[in-house]
Amino acid sequence: GENVEQHPSTLSVQEGDSAVIKCTYSDSASNYFPWYKQELGKGPQLIIDIRSNVGEKKDQRIAVTLNKTAKHFSLHITETQPEDSAVYFCAAIEGNAGKSTFGDGTTLTVKP
Amino acid sequence: DARVTQTPRDKVTEMGQEVTMRCQPILGHNTVFWYRQTMMQGLELLAYFRNRAPLDDSGMPKDRFSAEMPDATLATLKIQPSEPRDSAVYFCASGLEAGIRDTQYFGPGTRLTVL
Repeated sequence: GENVEQHPSTLSVQEGDSAVIKCTYSDSASNYFPWYKQELGKGPQLIIDIRSNVGEKKDQRIAVTLNKTAKHFSLHITETQPEDSAVYFCAAIEGNAGKSTFGDGTTLTVKP
Repeated sequence: DARVTQTPRDKVTEMGQEVTMRCQPILGHNTVFWYRQTMMQGLELLAYFRNRAPLDDSGMPKDRFSAEMPDATLATLKIQPSEPRDSAVYFCASGLEAGIRDTQYFGPGTRLTVL
């Protein structure tokens, strides 16, 4: 089955700096890669996603890159703000079956 | 603002009792997922449905867990009998499986504590 590894497990940055979280996956059949942000006491919320036919996608301060050959994808947050502090999860999903595998999460702390 | 709803939000029960968690997917969504989140195991997929039919429940302990979709607006996850190791937050998510649109929208979760 699919295996998703996410690094780092914790990340602390100063407000205004950039943050990068990386994930690798094992199953070449995975073709959809969403990123979720989870705040305390809430369910994960989708923040950005990318499909296997695209190498990069950007939405304001958030960007995701995908390297299909190397089977890794990354989340980039620029100009971080304290409200970006949360747990971030990556996931790899095999589109036809819809089965999803999540990374273990990264706790991001943005210090004012 | 369409959202996935889950009830109850919190449940405390004693070992051996039956627990039923409910989920109302976003209207029009045809895929429903059940996840369990713990500190030790992270987010685990328990089961998922497409058009109310179970597609995969390999992540679910079969002897005590069962998942059903009585109709398109209700998904249930039942544990009988419950055990302390079942304590976790259980999330339901729904999605619109339409080829390229595989996004899952999560509910707020049910926090289960089994004493």
